[in-house]
Amino acid sequence: DTEVTQTPKHLVMGMTNKKSLKCEQHMGHRAMYWYKQKAKKPPELMFVYSYEKLSINESVPSRFSPECPNSSLLNLHLHALQPEDSALYLCASSPLGDVWPDTQYFGPGTRLTVL
Amino acid sequence: DAKTTQPPSMDCAEGRAANLPCNHSTISGNEYVYWYRQIHSQGPQYIIHGLKNNETNEMASLIITEDRKSSTLILPHATLRDTAVYYCIVRASIQGAQKLVFGQGTRLTINP
Repeated sequence: DTEVTQTPKHLVMGMTNKKSLKCEQHMGHRAMYWYKQKAKKPPELMFVYSYEKLSINESVPSRFSPECPNSSLLNLHLHALQPEDSALYLCASSPLGDVWPDTQYFGPGTRLTVL
Repeated sequence: DAKTTQPPSMDCAEGRAANLPCNHSTISGNEYVYWYRQIHSQGPQYIIHGLKNNETNEMASLIITEDRKSSTLILPHATLRDTAVYYCIVRASIQGAQKLVFGQGTRLTINP
């Protein structure tokens, strides 16, 4: 398995809802990432997990809560979002360890719309 | 990480070679040049990376100038499916997970 999968593909939620985005990879990668991409803009990093521990948080608001239950799975829990949080949410993974340099591979993304 | 400069848009005829330039004049000796592309509404796709030497894989070739201040991504026989935004990214070769800093990229349109 050589890909990063993300579910759902599309999500519409209200500002009072709680939802979660899921990302999975079975390449044995030990780093996983969340990026956010607004329309017509480049992706921007939100969080990084290295060896299942949060290693980078780019000052993301607490209404976004990441979770890494195991080395293959990454979740992003969403609560009380605002319409301006509507974006494409991208997950990526990279090998770490002895692989050099460390290259990130992206999933197809979840298109989120907040009403 | 060093900043990169790319033209905002380029056109290329189908079947011809597409040459996408990237300027990274402040690159450091331990920084790699990476290229990704993003087809409309999909996730970025890794293409190729290099440090000093020219590199080639099944997707593209990467030519890095001797002073490493610029590089060119070459798609040898462009097809309509190569229409995408191409990002040139410079990142340090340090251990551990790092963020990729995407610039605005070049929007490449392949014309029939």
